[in-house]
Amino acid sequence: NAGVTQTPKFRVLKTGQSMTLLCAQDMNHEYMYWYRQDPGMGLRLIHYSVGEGTTAKGEVPDGYNVSRLKKQNFLLGLESAAPSQTSVYFCASSYYSPREETQYFGPGTRLLVL
Amino acid sequence: GQQLNQSPQSMFIQEGEDVSMNCTSSSIFNTWLWYKQDPGEGPVLLIALYKAGELTSNGRLTAQFGITRKDSFLNISASIPSDVGIYFCAGQLRGSSNTGKLIFGQGTTLQVKP
Repeated sequence: NAGVTQTPKFRVLKTGQSMTLLCAQDMNHEYMYWYRQDPGMGLRLIHYSVGEGTTAKGEVPDGYNVSRLKKQNFLLGLESAAPSQTSVYFCASSYYSPREETQYFGPGTRLLVL
Repeated sequence: GQQLNQSPQSMFIQEGEDVSMNCTSSSIFNTWLWYKQDPGEGPVLLIALYKAGELTSNGRLTAQFGITRKDSFLNISASIPSDVGIYFCAGQLRGSSNTGKLIFGQGTTLQVKP
């Protein structure tokens, strides 16, 4: 099992450019999440999904869109990148089950917006 | 939004020393989780707590779910250099089990001097 994988690992964008971050999991998890991590801020939830075809906003959704067309994939899109979106992005997934709230994280995508 | 206050923000200790960190909130949590993040990696689960008062160990790590359900602590005994990293607490608010959403603390950065 690869667990949770993220593509790409690192990217540099110019302000106004768009890109899509891909998250894939092979654990048949129902729930998937996108976080951003900034120094001193911990992990903040951007968007999440409780199943294929469903998405919902998290704590900091502005400037991002997501799609979950397949259960194993969760895509995070930046339509028009801004320097404030420079961050490390983590994807996570978990089961739909009490006492299984553990979220499994990918290795992260480091994004620099110039 | 909901917040977890994690302290201390950072610690610089000597190898062999014990470490203690904690998280508090004004809200009640169903679940407390402690994660460790190595440099350049995603967070990895250390300990999960599901019941108020629960005390759980994982090797040199011990964590407790506070009786009030609003706090948790993590202790590391006899620290070693590989304990270096960022430690995050995370909690699942009562009523969030249908989304699996977690609230993360800001993290405690631990450095260990050999």
